[in-house]
Amino acid sequence: NAGVTQTPKFRVLKTGQSMTLLCAQDMNHEYMYWYRQDPGMGLRLIHYSVGEGTTAKGEVPDGYNVSRLKKQNFLLGLESAAPSQTSVYFCASRPALAGELFFGEGSRLTVL
Amino acid sequence: SQQGEEDPQALSIQEGENATMNCSYKTSINNLQWYRQNSGRGLVHLILIRSNEREKHSGRLRVTLDTSKKSSSLLITASRAADTASYFCATPNDYKLSFGAGTTVTVRA
Repeated sequence: NAGVTQTPKFRVLKTGQSMTLLCAQDMNHEYMYWYRQDPGMGLRLIHYSVGEGTTAKGEVPDGYNVSRLKKQNFLLGLESAAPSQTSVYFCASRPALAGELFFGEGSRLTVL
Repeated sequence: SQQGEEDPQALSIQEGENATMNCSYKTSINNLQWYRQNSGRGLVHLILIRSNEREKHSGRLRVTLDTSKKSSSLLITASRAADTASYFCATPNDYKLSFGAGTTVTVRA
């Protein structure tokens, strides 16, 4: 039982490049989330999904896209990376009827 | 915008002492959660307190909730070096969970 797994764990991009972060959970959770964490700012919600095939914008969605084609996977895409997207990205999931979030270990992205 | 705000931003204590941190939030909630984050790791859920509860315990953790003041506190008793981490309060808003900026706790040996 791996919980929430994020890949890759580290990535360096050049401005303008694109990439996708993958989040996979094996707990059959309905809800999945992508947050970014920057120093002194806590966690800010980028996008979230309440079920397969559905996504919604969070607090800071600009510059990101997401897809939830399968219940267990939630993908976060950057179409044209910018230095302002340098951050640590966390995926989380939870069951529909419970409040507790389960987090992955994070993906550290640097955009040069 | 962040719903919860922790205070203080940082706390340094001696091993064996108690650590107390506070969280204030803005809107009505049905529960409040606390999470811990060790350096370089993901967040781990510690405790959830519902709006109809005033106090909850889990091991060396004690959480209080005052809905009239829109505030919560997390107390860690008899701290250990392993308690060195950042602690976040989180409040639900519809399907989402909003986090504060956190309190960084350093436990000195």
